[in-house]
Amino acid sequence: GENVEQHPSTLSVQEGDSAVIKCTYSDSASNYFPWYKQELGKRPQLIIDIRSNVGEKKDQRIAVTLNKTAKHFSLHITETQPEDSAVYFCAASIAAGKSTFGDGTTLTVKP
Amino acid sequence: NAGVMQNPRHLVRRRGQEARLRCSPMKGHSHVYWYRQLPEEGLKFMVYLQKENIIDESGMPKERFSAEFPKEGPSILRIQQVVRGDSAAYFCASSPSGQIQGNTIYFGEGSWLTVV
Repeated sequence: GENVEQHPSTLSVQEGDSAVIKCTYSDSASNYFPWYKQELGKRPQLIIDIRSNVGEKKDQRIAVTLNKTAKHFSLHITETQPEDSAVYFCAASIAAGKSTFGDGTTLTVKP
Repeated sequence: NAGVMQNPRHLVRRRGQEARLRCSPMKGHSHVYWYRQLPEEGLKFMVYLQKENIIDESGMPKERFSAEFPKEGPSILRIQQVVRGDSAAYFCASSPSGQIQGNTIYFGEGSWLTVV
């Protein structure tokens, strides 16, 4: 089955700096890669996603890149703010909808 | 447009009791997924269901756990004879279809099970 590895497990940045989280996946059939943000005690919320026919996608301060050949994808957050502090999860899925998640990255943005 | 609804939000059970967690998908969604999140860990897939069908239960423990999504009513995750290791957050998610490429799933608020 699919295996998703996520790095780093913790990330601390100064407010205004950029944060990058990287994930690799094992199943070349995976074609959908969402990113979720989870605050303490809350549900995971979709923040951005990318499909296999696209190499990069941006939404304001958030961008995701995908390298299908190398089987890795990354989340980039620019101009970080304290409210960006949370746990971020990447995931990979094939068309059937079942997603395999990475173990999460705890991002702390210091004011 | 109500999101994925889960109840109860918090549940306390003694060892050996049964826990029943309910999930109503978003309006228009016919596919339901259950994930488990142990404290300070990631989301682990348990089961994927459509109405009256279990599509993929590869993440379900072989014993004590079962899930259903009946023709009428919510999806139910049932845990029999709970043990302390079952203490976790159980998240339900739904999607409009599992057949369309790259289907987004949306999570409910979760049910936090504590076994004492």
